[in-house]
Amino acid sequence: QQPVQSPQAVILREGEDAVINCSSSKALYSVHWYRQKHGEAPVFLMILLKGGEQKGHEKISASFNEKKQQSSLYLTASQLSYSGTYFCGTESGNTGRRALTFGSGTRLQVQP
Amino acid sequence: SAVISQKPSRDICQRGTSLTIQCQVDSQVTMMFWYRQQPGQSLTLIATANQGSEATYESGFVIDKFPISRPNLTFSTLTVSNMSPEDSSIYLCSVAAEYEQYFGPGTRLTVT
Repeated sequence: QQPVQSPQAVILREGEDAVINCSSSKALYSVHWYRQKHGEAPVFLMILLKGGEQKGHEKISASFNEKKQQSSLYLTASQLSYSGTYFCGTESGNTGRRALTFGSGTRLQVQP
Repeated sequence: SAVISQKPSRDICQRGTSLTIQCQVDSQVTMMFWYRQQPGQSLTLIATANQGSEATYESGFVIDKFPISRPNLTFSTLTVSNMSPEDSSIYLCSVAAEYEQYFGPGTRLTVT
């Protein structure tokens, strides 16, 4: 079952902050965050693992609430380059298959 | 990081024909995945292709329609068989690194 992302779209001015949420009905092993620009491949931003481990870009922060199976991506002091569609990808269970189920995406537009 | 190339980058095919998409990685990887993405939509996992084993297909995808080969640790192919207009989509391969996944640039397929 596809994780639910919110909001569907957000428009920011440069320097403003945004939070993107991802919620799953399944017990999660990990949550991945990707950004995709139009016509390009998705690019890895961060992974949050069950147990608290995180790996990702220094300027990106995120949280993972294991009890609620929810994750949030925090974009602070947004830049024009942050524009794109953000997807969360979830891996459920403990299979280690690394196969991801992606949310519907959040379209972010940063304006000057 | 892994650099992934796909061929062809785009194609227009007639209904009832088949197309084979190639995915080449610049390093040896165990886990490789094939996704489908309708323009403006999320990514949907088709199958997991690990070298030395049969591909694992997700619900709604079958081997007869999407046969996959994985002859070595740097290469895989996905065939879209007996195509219909509903198969028009972007097909992406991805590989799993230690934590993240890297995506290829995608193959944009249009079926007429």
